[in-house]
Amino acid sequence: GAGVSQSPSNKVTEKGKDVELRCDPISGHTALYWYRQSLGQGLEFLIYFQGNSAPDKSGLPSDRFSAERTGGSVSTLTIQRTQQEDSAVYLCASNTRGGDTQYFGPGTRLTVL
Amino acid sequence: DAKTTQPPSMDCAEGRAANLPCNHSTISGNEYVYWYRQIHSQGPQYIIHGLKNNETNEMASLIITEDRKSSTLILPHATLRDTAVYYCIVFRWGMEYGNKLVFGAGTILRVKS
Repeated sequence: GAGVSQSPSNKVTEKGKDVELRCDPISGHTALYWYRQSLGQGLEFLIYFQGNSAPDKSGLPSDRFSAERTGGSVSTLTIQRTQQEDSAVYLCASNTRGGDTQYFGPGTRLTVL
Repeated sequence: DAKTTQPPSMDCAEGRAANLPCNHSTISGNEYVYWYRQIHSQGPQYIIHGLKNNETNEMASLIITEDRKSSTLILPHATLRDTAVYYCIVFRWGMEYGNKLVFGAGTILRVKS
């Protein structure tokens, strides 16, 4: 009955490298969200998946960011050619449908050197 | 989504009730009031939500004014583990609204012994 899980918990990378962050939503949750939280800042929406519908990508800050959700469950957020300003905690949330309470994972702390 | 206004910080003595206010004067009829909290280095944790009526669960109570322009989150017996940033969020369901939570700066609650 685990909650939302994310991996890795911490990731340190060099500027210019690509990174992949993983999110495992709560079993049975059809909606999945990615947010990020920069140091000392509030949460910023990135992308939203709902079932088989086209994802809402309106929050992705640049075309270096992409996400996919395979089989309606696990999601991967990919950041290409990382920049120092990408350093943040990346949070994943899920719920049973778009209008239900969102439950968050512990986040992945990304540090770009 | 309607904006919310919260005090930047509050202190509370351990064992006493913590009352966290939130103003949402532009809230519309189909928008819910949600409360989340974020303990240091963790993902946001859902606390409670409501539409018009007061709500209570095992964590807290939510008091919403009759005109719905403000609300108060009550932690009845605050403990040191309740020290966190508390976010009041106004949320409207529906794919057309993106179903994304918009987090403000929140209130830093410090529970002191």
